[in-house]
Amino acid sequence: GENVEQHPSTLSVQEGDSAVIKCTYSDSASNYFPWYKQELGKRPQLIIDIRSNVGEKKDQRIAVTLNKTAKHFSLHITETQPEDSAVYFCAASRGGSYIPTFGRGTSLIVHP
Amino acid sequence: GAVVSQHPSRVICKSGTSVKIECRSLDFQATTMFWYRQFPKKSLMLMATSNEGSKATYEQGVEKDKFLINHASLTLSTLTVTSAHPEDSSFYICSAPLQGGGGYEQYFGPGTRLTVT
Repeated sequence: GENVEQHPSTLSVQEGDSAVIKCTYSDSASNYFPWYKQELGKRPQLIIDIRSNVGEKKDQRIAVTLNKTAKHFSLHITETQPEDSAVYFCAASRGGSYIPTFGRGTSLIVHP
Repeated sequence: GAVVSQHPSRVICKSGTSVKIECRSLDFQATTMFWYRQFPKKSLMLMATSNEGSKATYEQGVEKDKFLINHASLTLSTLTVTSAHPEDSSFYICSAPLQGGGGYEQYFGPGTRLTVT
């Protein structure tokens, strides 16, 4: 089955800095890679996703890159703000299958 | 966007009792729903896949007799924790997939905090 590794487990940055979270996956048939943000005690919320037919996708301060050859994808947050503080999860799944495999999560702390 | 609700949001029960958690897709039908368990500061652990009109599929290591799942309609799945023990205390989250452009997006419920005393 799919195995998703996520690093780092904790990331502490100053407000205004950039944050990068990296994930690797094992199943070469995976082609859908969502990222979720989970605030304490709340549900995970989809913030951005990428499919294997593209290498990069941006949405304002958030971007995701995908390297299918190396089987890794990354989340980039620029100009971080305290409200970006949360746990971020990457996930991978196959097309046509809706069962994602989640990474272990990254606790992002943005200091004002 | 699609909405998934969960009830109750918090429940405290005594050891040995059973607790039922409901997961509803409010504005779309879901033939499949997923149940996750999440420990503090940990990732989402898939417990089982709930299938409408048929038996749930449990992940390895999850006791099907302890975590009973019923998916009686296209908008409702229930998870019953039977004979609960303190080690069952956790955050339980359901999700339902909805097909978007090119793939499925997961919509999560708000979660249920279970505390077993």
